[in-house]
Amino acid sequence: KQEVTQIPAALSVPEGENLVLNCSFTDSAIYNLQWFRQDPGKGLTSLLLIQSSQREQTSGRLNASLDKSSGRSTLYIAASQPGDSATYLCAVDGQNFVFGPGTRLSVLP
Amino acid sequence: NAGVTQTPKFRVLKTGQSMTLLCAQDMNHEYMYWYRQDPGMGLRLIHYSVGEGTTAKGEVPDGYNVSRLKKQNFLLGLESAAPSQTSVYFCASSYYMGNNQPQHFGDGTRLSIL
Repeated sequence: KQEVTQIPAALSVPEGENLVLNCSFTDSAIYNLQWFRQDPGKGLTSLLLIQSSQREQTSGRLNASLDKSSGRSTLYIAASQPGDSATYLCAVDGQNFVFGPGTRLSVLP
Repeated sequence: NAGVTQTPKFRVLKTGQSMTLLCAQDMNHEYMYWYRQDPGMGLRLIHYSVGEGTTAKGEVPDGYNVSRLKKQNFLLGLESAAPSQTSVYFCASSYYMGNNQPQHFGDGTRLSIL
């Protein structure tokens, strides 16, 4: 059974810092890995999708990497802003679509 | 383009009552999903559908039923609500599972069972 974990559970940083969120999964037989953002009281917004054959994807200040063999992905956020404050979830698409518990990020002005 | 729309947004039920949550998507997606989100547990898949007229069980299907009579709609039913079903329910849709297309989510339904 696929299990997905995320570290840290919560993170608070001052504006402007670069930061890394971590996602680990136990079964490397996946089609892709997605990173989502969830704002309070809202649904999930897809940020980046990395196919199993890819090593990384970039969108603006966001960069996600995937090391399928070791079961790890990282989301790098450059020059963080208060508007980046949200919960970030990773999810792996394999036999089923399995989510991690999320990292709650607060960027302080 | 509305994307994925869930109704209602909030609901309070008494134990034993029944209700249906509606999910509608306008992106012509084949796959639709119902998740529940509980504190500290992430999102867990309840049921999903791979096309009109089909349904399948996810990780936590007990106590729920679903129907996909039309491609654009996916209904989640609680026949006899229990306090353990208090949660936030999310619907999502995608073209196909495993084809590297992202899932699109609705804004959720907050359900409280007293």
